[in-house]
Amino acid sequence: SQTIHQWPATLVQPVGSPLSLECTVEGTSNPNLYWYRQAAGRGLQLLFYSVGIGQISSEVPQNLSASRPQDRQFILSSKKLLLSDSGFYLCAWRGTGLYGYTFGSGTRLTVV
Amino acid sequence: AQKVTQAQTEISVVEKEDVTLDCVYETRDTTYYLFWYKQPPSGELVFLIRRNSFDEQNEISGRYSWNFQKSTSSFNFTITASQVVDSAVYFCALSEILTGGGNKLTFGTGTQLKVEL
Repeated sequence: SQTIHQWPATLVQPVGSPLSLECTVEGTSNPNLYWYRQAAGRGLQLLFYSVGIGQISSEVPQNLSASRPQDRQFILSSKKLLLSDSGFYLCAWRGTGLYGYTFGSGTRLTVV
Repeated sequence: AQKVTQAQTEISVVEKEDVTLDCVYETRDTTYYLFWYKQPPSGELVFLIRRNSFDEQNEISGRYSWNFQKSTSSFNFTITASQVVDSAVYFCALSEILTGGGNKLTFGTGTQLKVEL
């Protein structure tokens, strides 16, 4: 079956520290992968998407970066976190079935 | 650019009332998909429905129903006989084809539904 794993579930990091959030999918190959962020105002904003290994597209300029070292692995990173990076981060992949998109369980990041 | 508008920021109802969540979208694509997701307090996004732009039939699933009207670019969601467990944030979303390949979902800002006893 197709599943998506995202970790950690919660994270508290000091300003200026690095960040690495990992997302992996199982049961599919060459998926389209996405990182979304949900800030305190509830809206979901697309940060990055990837249509293949090493292919990363950024939707908005920001303090974060993404990488796709393997077909089913998508990583969100930062060298130095800002307070404004706090939020709820969701990884997603797009399949071809009825549901279309599957979301991970999310990482709640608090930068202090 | 595509856009999804959920004008209702927050709705409060009493249990067993019917409630409709509005969604209006803008797109230049001729083929697209519309979605509704539920986000309970745990934060996870729960898929509710996907609708193809060529399929304007209304759909009913238990207490949930969806009214898709292409003429008004709306895809409204109705919960009949609401229950406390329906309390959550509901998102409407629209698929968009990306120039770099693949596609993405554009989300509305969500509607917080509170169902009280």
